[in-house]
Amino acid sequence: DAMVIQNPRYQVTQFGKPVTLSCSQTLNHNVMYWYQQKSSQAPKLLFHYYDKDFNNEADTPDNFQSRRPNTSFCFLDIRSPGLGDAAMYLCATSRDPLGEQYFGPGTRLTVT
Amino acid sequence: AQSVTQPDIHITVSEGASLELRCNYSYGATPYLFWYVQSPGQGLQLLLKYFSGDTLVQGIKGFEAEFKRSQSSFNLRKPSVHWSDAAEYFCAVGGTSYGKLTFGQGTILTVHP
Repeated sequence: DAMVIQNPRYQVTQFGKPVTLSCSQTLNHNVMYWYQQKSSQAPKLLFHYYDKDFNNEADTPDNFQSRRPNTSFCFLDIRSPGLGDAAMYLCATSRDPLGEQYFGPGTRLTVT
Repeated sequence: AQSVTQPDIHITVSEGASLELRCNYSYGATPYLFWYVQSPGQGLQLLLKYFSGDTLVQGIKGFEAEFKRSQSSFNLRKPSVHWSDAAEYFCAVGGTSYGKLTFGQGTILTVHP
């Protein structure tokens, strides 16, 4: 089945230690998104790629970076995680920027 | 700027009862509207969407929603709730420039047997 896959499902990292979250898709969609969802809150868009074009939300901290080496994969890098970065990170894809978004199961990040 | 309000943080219904979850949006043009459902610890699953055309939209799992432009609303309904419907429901509005979704705060649905 075509789908959006996130690895790992659970990630524990230490304060200040860089961490990378992975997302892959078999839908061959052009757009990939990263959302941050803190406990009991709505998902918040961090950035997205439209093909190779990177679009950063104005309020996304510089601590968060992203890479998309090819159509199928997209990575979220947190350079120096703080306690406030503990959250669920959701990857989503869409065929085009106006299409419906398909979400992966998320990666739960814990910062100790 | 686009925004979404879900007035009810938590709703409890009995199994078999009808359900309506409220959603109000703010957007300058005709919005793209979505309802997603999220089970604990899981990603979001699309229930239904409205882009244009018929204002009553049918979705998966027996859900439907009605777009009312005059009230800036897109309420989600189900005639008979099942215990497996217990989850958190998010309404979202999409812009027309690119696919930025703005989500409401979510409504947690509890279903009593």
